[in-house]
Amino acid sequence: DVKVTQSSRYLVKRTGEKVFLECVQDMDHENMFWYRQDPGLGLRLIYFSYDVKMKEKGDIPEGYSVSREKKERFSLILESASTNQTSMYLCASSLSGTDASPLHFGNGTRLTVT
Amino acid sequence: AQTVTQSQPEMSVQEAETVTLSCTYDTSESNYYLFWYKQPPSRQMILVIRQEAYKQQNATENRFSVNFQKAAKSFSLKISDSQLGDTAMYFCAFMKPGAGSYQLTFGKGTKLSVIP
Repeated sequence: DVKVTQSSRYLVKRTGEKVFLECVQDMDHENMFWYRQDPGLGLRLIYFSYDVKMKEKGDIPEGYSVSREKKERFSLILESASTNQTSMYLCASSLSGTDASPLHFGNGTRLTVT
Repeated sequence: AQTVTQSQPEMSVQEAETVTLSCTYDTSESNYYLFWYKQPPSRQMILVIRQEAYKQQNATENRFSVNFQKAAKSFSLKISDSQLGDTAMYFCAFMKPGAGSYQLTFGKGTKLSVIP
C-alpha cells in the first residue's frame, strides 16, 4: 500500500512565523500535491509537482511556496504565516502516465495560526 | 475551467438503507475521469470508486455504485446496505488527463451520517 506521511498532525504557530509542512511518500510517485481543506469550501489545490525541482501553481498559491528536492518529499512553506492560513492541509501523491491514476492522501496537518 | 457541484451539504441514512449522493460537473472535455473519495472522521481521504468517461458501464465497488449520465454531466454515488463505517465526508472529483496536468477538481463535499 502507498503510504503518504505528513510530519505533523497538529501545528500551532504565531503570526509572522515561517512554517514548514513536510510530506513524504514511499511509492516512487512522480506527482505530489498540496491541498487546503476548509469547511464549506472543499479541497483547493495550492501547488503541485510533476518531478524533482518542478512545481506548478494551483488555484490558491498566494502566501505559499513549495520545495521538491527529492522525489519522495514535497514541502509546503508559509513564508510569513497569517491567521487566514489556519486550515487543514492535505498532501497527496499519484503515479504519472497516460492513464489518470487516483491520488493517495496523507492524514492531514491541522495548522492553527494565532 | 471545470467545476464540480455537490448540492447536498449534509445527508443522513438509517443503517442498512440505501442512500444516493448527487454530483454534477461542467466541462467541455470529452475524455475525463470522475472519482468519489471518502474522508472518515479520522481524516485520511480514500478512493471509493472511479469512472472513465468513455466507458458507458457504471462502475461498481461492492456496496458502492455510480450512476454516470454523461449527457447530463451527472455522477451520483449510491451506497447500498449502509453501515456505520460509511459515516464520512464524501467528495466528488473530476480529472482531466493530459501531459503534466494530473490534478483533481473537487466538489465541496457531502457529510453523510449513518444512523443506527
